[in-house]
Amino acid sequence: AQSVTQPDIHITVSEGASLELRCNYSYGATPYLFWYVQSPGQGLQLLLKYFSGDTLVQGIKGFEAEFKRSQSSFNLRKPSVHWSDAAEYFCAVGAKSGGYQKVTFGTGTKLQVIP
Amino acid sequence: DTAVSQTPKYLVTQMGNDKSIKCEQNLGHDTMYWYKQDSKKFLKIMFSYNNKELIINETVPNRFSPKSPDKAHLNLHINSLELGDSAVYFCASSQQARQGAGYGYTFGSGTRLTVV
Repeated sequence: AQSVTQPDIHITVSEGASLELRCNYSYGATPYLFWYVQSPGQGLQLLLKYFSGDTLVQGIKGFEAEFKRSQSSFNLRKPSVHWSDAAEYFCAVGAKSGGYQKVTFGTGTKLQVIP
Repeated sequence: DTAVSQTPKYLVTQMGNDKSIKCEQNLGHDTMYWYKQDSKKFLKIMFSYNNKELIINETVPNRFSPKSPDKAHLNLHINSLELGDSAVYFCASSQQARQGAGYGYTFGSGTRLTVV
């Protein structure tokens, strides 16, 4: 079965600083990988996804993520963080299970942005 | 138009009661899901339906019963509510990845269930 680890529970960055959120996955084959963002009181919104091709994927809101098979990682990055980026970020891995896709979420990283 | 809508947004009820949460999506997706998010923000899949067929049924107490009357609707009924059922329940939808690309989910805004 697949699994996802987000090692950082809470990260604080200054507005304008760069950001990297870590994600490691465990799955025997090539996984589908996702990053979602959850603002307080809201549902999750898809930021970006990877399933094949270019290992650097661009997403919405200026985010990007890089798939590194050798490290089983899919870290999320943003060159310059805005105060509105403060939220909970979830990495997720999708894998085939009985002919269907099943997605497993990490435990989330809470991002705090300070002025 | 809201893509995935859940009702109600908040639900406060006493232990032992039976309650339902409704979910509707207007995206034309063929698969819908129920996730439970606990107080530590951990998201756990509960059920998934593909074109009204149950395809994922995780280890969930049988007090929880999903129903999908059509592929645009997925409801969750909970019998004999317990304190531990307090959580935020999210409905989501997607196209189902049978081959090739993995599809992302579109989530509803959640139903916060509080059992007192």
